[in-house]
Amino acid sequence: EVQLQQSGPEVGRPGSSVKISCKASGYTFTDYVMNWVKQSPGQGLEWIGWIDPEYGSTDYAEKFKKKATLTADTSSNTAYIQLSSLTSEDTATYFCAIITTRFDYWGQGVMVTVSS
Amino acid sequence: DIQMTQSPASLSASPEEIVTITCQASQDIGNWLAWYQQKPGKSPQLLIYSATSLADGIPSRFSGSRSGTQYSLKISRLQVEDTGIYYCLQRYSNPWTFGGGTKLELK
Repeated sequence: EVQLQQSGPEVGRPGSSVKISCKASGYTFTDYVMNWVKQSPGQGLEWIGWIDPEYGSTDYAEKFKKKATLTADTSSNTAYIQLSSLTSEDTATYFCAIITTRFDYWGQGVMVTVSS
Repeated sequence: DIQMTQSPASLSASPEEIVTITCQASQDIGNWLAWYQQKPGKSPQLLIYSATSLADGIPSRFSGSRSGTQYSLKISRLQVEDTGIYYCLQRYSNPWTFGGGTKLELK
């Protein structure tokens, strides 16, 4: 069974960074790119980008190129997203997800709160 | 960026009714369109992929269609468990973009 287990909620100070994880199991980690999606409180969904764990290649939405850094560790089957220079606009739930043409698997989401 | 204009923003319907949600793409996206349902506090769940194909385990009362750059999700014989927020997603080009969402409530 494919599972994407994300780390726990984070609180970050304005201007700081946070790094959240997504541990994959139940499939070969390098078989699928990992996507990241943002959902601001009470708002819709925004695609941040993806990382190919096999090659480390990435693709970002322009809006998130200076905000998010995607990495992956094939030794632990874990994908990461680091959010930098936090502002109140970054307060949101962040999902990791395998999104293919025919099927999806999503993590449970991680709430990031930016607060001083 | 490709804009996905989703309507209506909210919808209230009775059990057993038929409802339709639409997404208008700002340019051609072919069949690179998926529909999702999201319940409060949960991750989105894939309902329809490639505009018209039903995802595994999804009841057949859900169906998708396409007319040019307009995409529709139809729910026939609405059930209580169909409440939630529905989103479309285009994966034709970077950045992938979601519609604004449709909140479906049952009367």
